[in-house]
Amino acid sequence: DTEVTQTPKHLVMGMTNKKSLKCEQHMGHRAMYWYKQKAKKPPELMFVYSYEKLSINESVPSRFSPECPNSSLLNLHLHALQPEDSALYLCASRPAGTSNTGELFFGEGSRLTVL
Amino acid sequence: SQQGEEDPQALSIQEGENATMNCSYKTSINNLQWYRQNSGRGLVHLILIRSNEREKHSGRLRVTLDTSKKSSSLLITASRAADTASYFCENAGNNRKLIWGLGTSLAVNP
Repeated sequence: DTEVTQTPKHLVMGMTNKKSLKCEQHMGHRAMYWYKQKAKKPPELMFVYSYEKLSINESVPSRFSPECPNSSLLNLHLHALQPEDSALYLCASRPAGTSNTGELFFGEGSRLTVL
Repeated sequence: SQQGEEDPQALSIQEGENATMNCSYKTSINNLQWYRQNSGRGLVHLILIRSNEREKHSGRLRVTLDTSKKSSSLLITASRAADTASYFCENAGNNRKLIWGLGTSLAVNP
């Protein structure tokens, strides 16, 4: 199984809502990533988990809260978002221990719209 | 965060033609990877070229790396309409910080 599965595919939420994005992989990868991508732009790194521990937080606002409950799952909890947070949120994984140089496997993304 | 630069930012060609896109960085290049993204979808890994390699092939793809010029190029030969997508390069950099290029949007017209 070489898939990274993200749910939901689409999410519309108000600025006062609390929602979560989910990501799952069963490739045994121990490095998992959240990226944010705006239209016609490259992915922007948000968070990296390595062996279920948060290893990189790219100064992301606290209204985004990541969680890695186990080695296969990665969540992104959303609360009090702003309209400018509307974007495609991509989850990716790669085998840990590759010093960021191994192939990234991406999910299809969750398209988030904040009203 | 520092970003690489890709050119051209947009490229439109006819089916059957070759497409060349370039990626350059201000930092040193360390194991550069190319990815493809269909509109609104996830990215798909195409090819990795290590810092000690100069050229690599995979099917219709040819990637070159010039570490002295801190640049890489991706050539797609005999393009097809299905190659229409955005193409991004990613560089692990010399401090393990991931740096993405700005991307090239390729349109292959049938």
